[in-house]
Amino acid sequence: GQNIDQPTEMTATEGAIVQINCTYQTSGFNGLFWYQQHAGEAPTFLSYNVLDGLEEKGRFSSFLSRSKGYSYLLLKELQMKDSASYLCAVRDSNYQLIWGAGTKLIIKP
Amino acid sequence: GAVVSQHPSWVICKSGTSVKIECRSLDFQATTMFWYRQFPKQSLMLMATSNEGSKATYEQGVEKDKFLINHASLTLSTLTVTSAHPEDSSFYICSCFRENTEAFFGQGTRLTVV
Repeated sequence: GQNIDQPTEMTATEGAIVQINCTYQTSGFNGLFWYQQHAGEAPTFLSYNVLDGLEEKGRFSSFLSRSKGYSYLLLKELQMKDSASYLCAVRDSNYQLIWGAGTKLIIKP
Repeated sequence: GAVVSQHPSWVICKSGTSVKIECRSLDFQATTMFWYRQFPKQSLMLMATSNEGSKATYEQGVEKDKFLINHASLTLSTLTVTSAHPEDSSFYICSCFRENTEAFFGQGTRLTVV
């Protein structure tokens, strides 16, 4: 079956760095996405990786290793507004998105 | 700005009535749109894949006669929840890909059936 694993919850301190991991097993691979979702709102696109390596976009970076079925989202200089759920999703061979359950990130002052 | 517009953002309806949710791609054509529902503190659950000009593909366990999907044009897909009941209360979100890379979401519709 298809499976996306990410930690349920993480806590970090304002100003620090946090890494959210995502491992996946899917039938085919056509890209991996990270989304941020605040409670009661729709997800917001953060990053897209289809080749191995690191994609940097401001305070957020995303890494992919296709051979390991692994990705991480790195958030630097954490701000209180970064408290949200972070969803990892993989697009499979049928171009459907397979979603992880999301990681709730709690930022403490 | 938003590239996918979903309307309404919230709706309260009486049990037994039907509710229509619209999803529009604003500056691009979307041959395929995805409809999700999300219960509190849970991840997105794909309900169906809507293809322009053809019948939608429903996920296992989703009643196609209850959740009617119409994708009549390249920029508009609609989801109609027919004969809604309190257990249908949820957050419904549409999504589509632009240029096959980024997936954009509508703002979501919070449906409450009383």
